[in-house]
Amino acid sequence: SQQGEEDPQALSIQEGENATMNCSYKTSINNLQWYRQNSGRGLVHLILIRSNEREKHSGRLRVTLDTSKKSSSLLITASRAADTASYFCATDDWEEGSNYKLTFGKGTLLTVNP
Amino acid sequence: DTAVSQTPKYLVTQMGNDKSIKCEQNLGHDTMYWYKQDSKKFLKIMFSYNNKELIINETVPNRFSPKSPDKAHLNLHINSLELGDSAVYFCASSQGPTGFDEQYFGPGTRLTVT
Repeated sequence: SQQGEEDPQALSIQEGENATMNCSYKTSINNLQWYRQNSGRGLVHLILIRSNEREKHSGRLRVTLDTSKKSSSLLITASRAADTASYFCATDDWEEGSNYKLTFGKGTLLTVNP
Repeated sequence: DTAVSQTPKYLVTQMGNDKSIKCEQNLGHDTMYWYKQDSKKFLKIMFSYNNKELIINETVPNRFSPKSPDKAHLNLHINSLELGDSAVYFCASSQGPTGFDEQYFGPGTRLTVT
């Protein structure tokens, strides 16, 4: 089964700067989701982008999807200390005769320094 | 009014013991999941239930047995605990079992086997 791979594994920036995280995957997808996980907490859904979409915005978040390169990026603009978290991409993984499941990448740890 | 809740939050036990983790969602969702997150933050699905029916059963030792008494509850029982079972276990739910449904995660249960 495919798996999203985030890049970089860790990113440290100053408050106010933009943060860009990338995700690559292996096979065709119907959609790709991004989640955030604060330390010691569960994952929180951020945004879903469908395979026929190229870009999506939600507040300070901008997600792009390039299905020809099998990659997605998450941009957080004007970062804040509260954005410090791990960010995961997840792809829908489906095999004929089976059920859909989300396959998560290993995540990017973002640290925003005040 | 927590959406997805899990108990206990922490569980410390010895090898060979049997333990259970409980999960409840009040979102009216049809689908619930158990995930395991290892020390490197890799998140992997274990089980999924849709309307109390098991629909995903990944390659998990049969020492792990999920049970869904109703749509709102999904419990995980683990027999003969081993050191390698130490991880954070997350329960999640979604409206339906498709890859287009965002998932709502519980706060996690940190299991430590000594």
